[in-house]
Amino acid sequence: AQKVTQAQTEISVVEKEDVTLDCVYETRDTTYYLFWYKQPPSGELVFLIRRNSFDEQNEISGRYSWNFQKSTSSFNFTITASQVVDSAVYFCAREGYGGATNKLIFGTGTLLAVQP
Amino acid sequence: DAGVIQSPRHEVTEMGQEVTLRCKPISGHNSLFWYRQTMMRGLELLIYFNNNVPIDDSGMPEDRFSAKMPNASFSTLKIQPSEPRDSAVYFCASRIDRGQTGELFFGEGSRLTVL
Repeated sequence: AQKVTQAQTEISVVEKEDVTLDCVYETRDTTYYLFWYKQPPSGELVFLIRRNSFDEQNEISGRYSWNFQKSTSSFNFTITASQVVDSAVYFCAREGYGGATNKLIFGTGTLLAVQP
Repeated sequence: DAGVIQSPRHEVTEMGQEVTLRCKPISGHNSLFWYRQTMMRGLELLIYFNNNVPIDDSGMPEDRFSAKMPNASFSTLKIQPSEPRDSAVYFCASRIDRGQTGELFFGEGSRLTVL
């Protein structure tokens, strides 16, 4: 199976620390998409980012940044100056392009706890 | 615009009973997905539909599970008979698929407890 691995099951940091969530994926697709979703304690799944496999530029959005490295099949997520509101489970996901691979497969998630 | 709407939000039932979960996707979205979330297995894709047609049901655990999408605005996931190991949060999600993968919008989930 072309799976997504989030090796960190749980991370605890103190507010204002930077934290990086790791994501490694497997794929046989030439074209694919990578995603990060956030699941706060309230339970809903919130979309954070989508990245096309052709675009290896890193992206920054406020305190969030993403590092995509095709050579290592990794799509890591960094939160700078973490805040208590960042506490959530974060899921990395991948999706192939077209046909039966056109479905979003999630990693097992990383629980991030930001302590005040 | 209303998001993906799921019902019921919570369901408690006894083993052996039939359970039906419902989903109304976002209007205009042509793909619909059912996921199940448990502590042990995380988020698992059960089945997905494109233009009301089931494309991949390889994630459906066993014959006790079935899903239908009779029209573009409604889908059901049925478990018959239910078992305690079916206890989970079931998410429905939808998106627009027009040759390029789009953002998947999730409902708030249906929390199922089978006693």
